[in-house]
Amino acid sequence: KAGVTQTPRYLIKTRGQQVTLSCSPISGHRSVSWYQQTPGQGLQFLFEYFSETQRNKGNFPGRFSGRQFSNSRSEMNVSTLELGDSALYLCASSLGRGGDTGNTIYFGEGSWLTVV
Amino acid sequence: GESVGLHLPTLSVQEGDNSIINCAYSNSASDYFIWYKQESGKGPQFIIDIRSNMDKRQGQRVTVLLNKTVKHLSLQIAATQPGDSAVYFCAYNTDKLIFGTGTRLQVFP
Repeated sequence: KAGVTQTPRYLIKTRGQQVTLSCSPISGHRSVSWYQQTPGQGLQFLFEYFSETQRNKGNFPGRFSGRQFSNSRSEMNVSTLELGDSALYLCASSLGRGGDTGNTIYFGEGSWLTVV
Repeated sequence: GESVGLHLPTLSVQEGDNSIINCAYSNSASDYFIWYKQESGKGPQFIIDIRSNMDKRQGQRVTVLLNKTVKHLSLQIAATQPGDSAVYFCAYNTDKLIFGTGTRLQVFP
């Protein structure tokens, strides 16, 4: 069974631009979560979608947004990019809701975003 | 507030030795703990998990120990191999997954 797939894997953007990242969860998984990983801040939770509804959101500005489609695929968007947005963006999927006991979360390989 | 901390940022072990990676957490309400391994340039990979109604769980060459009294979690890797070199994260699951800062495991011959 295919794992979590993220596209694109690498991208370079200029300050002020916007970017959209895509995530295809493991087949049958209804929950998709997004994380930002940087050397200084580690893994930070962005948001979680379950059955097309955002059910949890981390402490990030409104420039970070996401959505989930009826086939569970998800996208996240970052508008008005800043240099500090350079990071590895990880998508994770699971069968149940994040936080449910025993609900294992599986990660994709991530999208490396560099803002110049 | 919630936090998951790791005692050592880097752990160096000799090939064949056992490795122990530690993790402290502060939220006693959590009932599910997970260890992930992240190799360079890759996403975190699930290793093993444990629920709060257990003290110990074993996998292939790995064992997770949970001490709820002192809010401590550890990952033991038996007969450490070069392929075990990576960053290891502990995490606990409340309404989302909270990650520790990570411990880098270096295996030398």
